[in-house]
Amino acid sequence: DIQLTQSPSFLSASVGDRVTITCRASQDIRSFLAWYQQIPGKAPTLLIFAASTLQSGVPSRFSGSGSGTEFTLTISSLQPEDFATYYCQQVEAYPRTFGGGTKVEI
Amino acid sequence: QVQLQQWGAGLLKPSETLSLTCALYGGSFSGYYWSWIRQPPGKGLEWIGEVNHRGTANYNPSLKSRVTISIDTSKQFSLKLRSVIAADTAVYYCARLNLVATTTADSWGQGTLVTVSS
Repeated sequence: DIQLTQSPSFLSASVGDRVTITCRASQDIRSFLAWYQQIPGKAPTLLIFAASTLQSGVPSRFSGSGSGTEFTLTISSLQPEDFATYYCQQVEAYPRTFGGGTKVEI
Repeated sequence: QVQLQQWGAGLLKPSETLSLTCALYGGSFSGYYWSWIRQPPGKGLEWIGEVNHRGTANYNPSLKSRVTISIDTSKQFSLKLRSVIAADTAVYYCARLNLVATTTADSWGQGTLVTVSS
């Protein structure tokens, strides 16, 4: 199975901060990586697919980059509604796997 | 607007079969894949498996011997997990996989908490 390692697992930030989350894959997954946001008590929502393509309706302050084994999710200016847990997922190979999550708190 | 509505029993005893159904409202069933993902309380996401529009399924090897994902009707698909144990306690989500978005989950059900306890 492809392992995804997210860092940090916990992040404390303030409104307006620029935030970067990293996801490292145990093997080359080309650009087959997605990012999801999960607010407590809610289902995850898709933010980015194909490593850098913004899902329709997602604010432009979210961006993704990377390919191969190293990927980043950046929030350019953190908003109050962005405090949540973020997960990466690889869709290069079966079984699909998720990173362990990064919780962004105030 | 696409909506996934899921339902099923929320409390099971060990060795019973978990059975959940997910229905699509407001969108097309064909041309997408359909998936189940679970999340144990306070933990991360685990991919259970998916089924394509032809009914061909892929499963997580860790669950493969106990799980079946199938398309029931033109707008519903289901999850069955046999011989459940306490470690199967989780919130279970159904999701639509968008082929244009590299089979990532662009629409999710509301989640169903399934508790396994004697």
